[in-house]
Amino acid sequence: GNSVTQMEGPVTLSEEAFLTINCTYTATGYPSLFWYVQYPGEGLQLLLKATKADDKGSNKGFEATYRKETTSFHLEKGSVQVSDSAVYFCALRKSGGSYIPTFGRGTSLIVHP
Amino acid sequence: DAGVTQSPTHLIKTRGQQVTLRCSPKSGHDTVSWYQQALGQGPQFIFQYYEEEERQRGNFPDRFSGHQFPNYSSELNVNALLLGDSALYLCASSLATGDGYTFGSGTRLTVV
Repeated sequence: GNSVTQMEGPVTLSEEAFLTINCTYTATGYPSLFWYVQYPGEGLQLLLKATKADDKGSNKGFEATYRKETTSFHLEKGSVQVSDSAVYFCALRKSGGSYIPTFGRGTSLIVHP
Repeated sequence: DAGVTQSPTHLIKTRGQQVTLRCSPKSGHDTVSWYQQALGQGPQFIFQYYEEEERQRGNFPDRFSGHQFPNYSSELNVNALLLGDSALYLCASSLATGDGYTFGSGTRLTVV
């Protein structure tokens, strides 16, 4: 079946540091890939997405590239801010069918001033 | 334009009781999905409603049931509550194609 594996957290960084959160997936066919962010006490917000191999999704300084050869969709940001502290979820959605996303367990990011 | 609205935001129930959670989808969306998010975990799919019918179901027992109304709003019902049902329950609305998938802020259920 479909599954998403994320690196264990928490990831703790100082402000302006470089961020990488690893995500790999298992799926048949060509799924769409997503990163969601969850701030404390809130629901999930879509951060970025990519729908085919080699696509790069980007938003608010975050980027992730759909790598089919390594089945990965790692999240990166060049310079994190304290306000980026949140939990980040990688997700996939198969093309066709019921369009139900499958989520990873989430990676907590803590950014210190 | 209101997004996805869930109510209540928090509630506390006793083991064995029943609970009903409510969700109003984003304007223009006709499909509602429910998720359970345990502490420190990712959201787990419970079921999805479209055209007032359950379209797909995840691996949850029959104690979890739902309903969708003609105005596309939805309810999640949980019977015979267990301590393990304590979680954040998220509702997501979308178009039937899955486009525009939008989450509400959730209902925090605590079972004591």
